[in-house]
Amino acid sequence: DAGVTQSPTHLIKTRGQQVTLRCSPKSGHDTVSWYQQALGQGPQFIFQYYEEEERQRGNFPDRFSGHQFPNYSSELNVNALLLGDSALYLCASSLGGDGAHLISNQPQHFGDGTRLSIL
Amino acid sequence: QKEVEQDPGPLSVPEGAIVSLNCTYSNSAFQYFMWYRQYSRKGPELLMYTYSSGNKEDGRFTAQVDKSSKYISLFIRDSQPSDSATYLCAMSRSNFGNEKLTFGTGTRLTIIP
Repeated sequence: DAGVTQSPTHLIKTRGQQVTLRCSPKSGHDTVSWYQQALGQGPQFIFQYYEEEERQRGNFPDRFSGHQFPNYSSELNVNALLLGDSALYLCASSLGGDGAHLISNQPQHFGDGTRLSIL
Repeated sequence: QKEVEQDPGPLSVPEGAIVSLNCTYSNSAFQYFMWYRQYSRKGPELLMYTYSSGNKEDGRFTAQVDKSSKYISLFIRDSQPSDSATYLCAMSRSNFGNEKLTFGTGTRLTIIP
């Protein structure tokens, strides 16, 4: 049973560029959340997708955008990269609903992240 | 002030010792409390979760929540070198699968053989 997979593993970009990170959720999961983890810090919530819509958003600028596809996979896009965007970007998946109802208390499972370095 | 405070350590203890890790929080709306373990170059792995106040035990791990003090703890008994990792506390207001998680900064733990 494949867990959460993220690609690429590492990425180096320069200031001002744009980047797209990808996430495939754990089998059976329908909800994807994205977090940013700066060095020496805990993960910070960026946003969450369920049924292809952004359900919640953290305190991140509009340069951060996302998408969820019908197969539940997701992308995180960051425009106009800044040096401060250098971080580990984590994707977490969970089971949010059964098609008709939200399901309670299903834990979020994390991938190993994409390490983004901005030069 | 951060919503969740966690001593970043580092914390070094000898093998076999009891380890105590703690977090405090300020948002009284938090209802679910989690502990994640993160090895170097890996994503966080859920160890335990508890709802509201009380204790929960799973093998060598015990999680405690005191909502009146806004204080949570994770105890590790008979610590092993394989327990060396960063431990993150996390919290959410409700159903934690569909809610954003608010994390502490993480405590870096080293178990010395």
